[in-house]
Amino acid sequence: DAKTTQPNSMESNEEEPVHLPCNHSTISGTDYIHWYRQLPSQGPEYVIHGLTSNVNNRMASLAIAEDRKSSTLILHRATLRDAAVYYCILRVFTSGTYKYIFGTGTRLKVLA
Amino acid sequence: DTGVSQDPRHKITKRGQNVTFRCDPISEHNRLYWYRQTLGQGPEFLTYFQNEAQLEKSRLLSDRFSAERPKGSFSTLEIQRTEQGDSAMYLCASSPGRRPQNEKLFFGSGTQLSVL
Repeated sequence: DAKTTQPNSMESNEEEPVHLPCNHSTISGTDYIHWYRQLPSQGPEYVIHGLTSNVNNRMASLAIAEDRKSSTLILHRATLRDAAVYYCILRVFTSGTYKYIFGTGTRLKVLA
Repeated sequence: DTGVSQDPRHKITKRGQNVTFRCDPISEHNRLYWYRQTLGQGPEFLTYFQNEAQLEKSRLLSDRFSAERPKGSFSTLEIQRTEQGDSAMYLCASSPGRRPQNEKLFFGSGTQLSVL
């Protein structure tokens, strides 16, 4: 199965930018890179996704390396509400099915 | 549209009992997924439905587990003869199933199962 590697935890000061890295060296050409985040006692929440080009939305930006073997989720101004576990996952199309394979994620702590 | 709904939110049961969880996906989403999550771990894939057809089952899904999605609407996940190792958060997610470039998961809040 396609896997991703993320740091276990990171810290950021409030209102500063946060760069969350992810390695996915076994990514295939059709695999999409997705990011989700999970607050305590809730299900994961979609953040952003991309294939080859960098992506921006109202929540975050996604920077994808040219070789696609790594990516970075960018939160432009961290708030206390951004404290969560962030999952970088690959959406893999195999045997007629989309599979979303989660790792253990990065726990982001935001300091006031 | 109120998102993906799961019921119950919490379930406490004794070892050996059967439990059933329900998931109501976002209407018109034709793909539905079940995941299991234990403390400190990411969600683990259990099974996937395209409309009413169960297209994939993880090897994590033992014979004691069964899932259905009658008529391609809501889904149920049943665990028979529960064991303490079944204690976990059971998450349901749905996706539209239309344009591949826009496919993404919408998760419910999960059902927390505790087996005593």
